[in-house]
Amino acid sequence: KAGVTQTPRYLIKTRGQQVTLSCSPISGHRSVSWYQQTPGQGLQFLFEYFSETQRNKGNFPGRFSGRQFSNSRSEMNVSTLELGDSALYLCASSLGRDEDSPLHFGNGTRLTVT
Amino acid sequence: KQEVTQIPAALSVPEGENLVLNCSFTDSAIYNLQWFRQDPGKGLTSLLLIQSSQREQTSGRLNASLDKSSGRSTLYIAASQPGDSATYLCAVFDGGSQGNLIFGKGTKLSVKP
Repeated sequence: KAGVTQTPRYLIKTRGQQVTLSCSPISGHRSVSWYQQTPGQGLQFLFEYFSETQRNKGNFPGRFSGRQFSNSRSEMNVSTLELGDSALYLCASSLGRDEDSPLHFGNGTRLTVT
Repeated sequence: KQEVTQIPAALSVPEGENLVLNCSFTDSAIYNLQWFRQDPGKGLTSLLLIQSSQREQTSGRLNASLDKSSGRSTLYIAASQPGDSATYLCAVFDGGSQGNLIFGKGTKLSVKP
């Protein structure tokens, strides 16, 4: 069974630009979550989608947005990039967000903003 | 607000040693706790998930325990190997308003041959 796939693996953007990251979950998984990982803040929750609906959202500005398609694939978008957005962005999928559903992570997209 | 702490931040041990990684959380009302491993530049690999009703889980050389009342979990690694070198993260799912996993900052483990 294929794991969680994130594309691209690396991105370099300049301040003010926007970026779109993609995540394909494990087949059959309907929940997709996004996390930002930085050396200073560690892993922070961005948002979670289930059956094309955003169920939960973390404490990030509105520049960070996402969506989920009918095949459970998800994208996240960051507009008006800032230097502080440089991070590893991780996507995770699960069958559903309940206590019996462990998260499975992809290898992430490394975003560098210059 | 739930906070997760992992001590120590880094640990270096000789190969073959048994070791314990610690994780503590401030709010005991959790649904589960999950241990992950992260290799440099990579994503997270799930190691063990302990439900709130469970006390421990085992997988091979790994054993994770959970004491909800004291807000603690430990990950025990037996007979450590150089391939165990990685950052180990614990995360709790508390089903709160955000419904997300709350992570500790991790323990960076180095196992010397």
